[in-house]
Amino acid sequence: DAGITQSPRHKVTETGTPVTLRCHQTENHRYMYWYRQDPGHGLRLIHYSYGVKDTDKGEVSDGYSVSRSKTEDFLLTLESATSSQTSVYFCAISESVGGYNQPQHFGDGTRLSIL
Amino acid sequence: GENVEQHPSTLSVQEGDSAVIKCTYSDSASNYFPWYKQELGKGPQLIIDIRSNVGEKKDQRIAVTLNKTAKHFSLHITETQPEDSAVYFCAATSYNAGNMLTFGGGTRLMVKP
Repeated sequence: DAGITQSPRHKVTETGTPVTLRCHQTENHRYMYWYRQDPGHGLRLIHYSYGVKDTDKGEVSDGYSVSRSKTEDFLLTLESATSSQTSVYFCAISESVGGYNQPQHFGDGTRLSIL
Repeated sequence: GENVEQHPSTLSVQEGDSAVIKCTYSDSASNYFPWYKQELGKGPQLIIDIRSNVGEKKDQRIAVTLNKTAKHFSLHITETQPEDSAVYFCAATSYNAGNMLTFGGGTRLMVKP
């Protein structure tokens, strides 16, 4: 299995509070991604990173910010959590080999409940 | 942007039978199509992928076919076993999309012993 650790694995918090989720990889892969998974929507990309301090928005980025200060860590922050952000969040990583899409490998997720 | 539709949403088969899951995509530029298996409480696990320069790929009991003209691709599982029970997702992307995957809605496969 790809060396991806997500923390925390479970979190319950209240509306309006800030929340930060962490993704840590030991594979030295260039690309890192944050997805959310909701019933009926499959997995949707929130943000991704293509290098240290290089990030871009995905399909559902509103209300989320990210940071990547080291190759191995990619943080997802909800500045002021809302109930609509209750979801399971997955981190993924992939290598970068010029000219070809590379497989993405996923962590085991963080289940976030916002009350 | 890309849109991926996946059918059926649930599939029940008898152990030993074959299972087929189908996906269609909208962006003719898409050139990479992975399939993932997700077990309860786990993250999606890549089981097979195919690139647009081939029409079929096999790995033991699993095969994927791609029809670029019709913009659809399918996952075939032969000789199903109870441990194949899981949710399966297809996805698509193009190099121009920066490797950003668009996923189908998932298929819950149940293999009855």
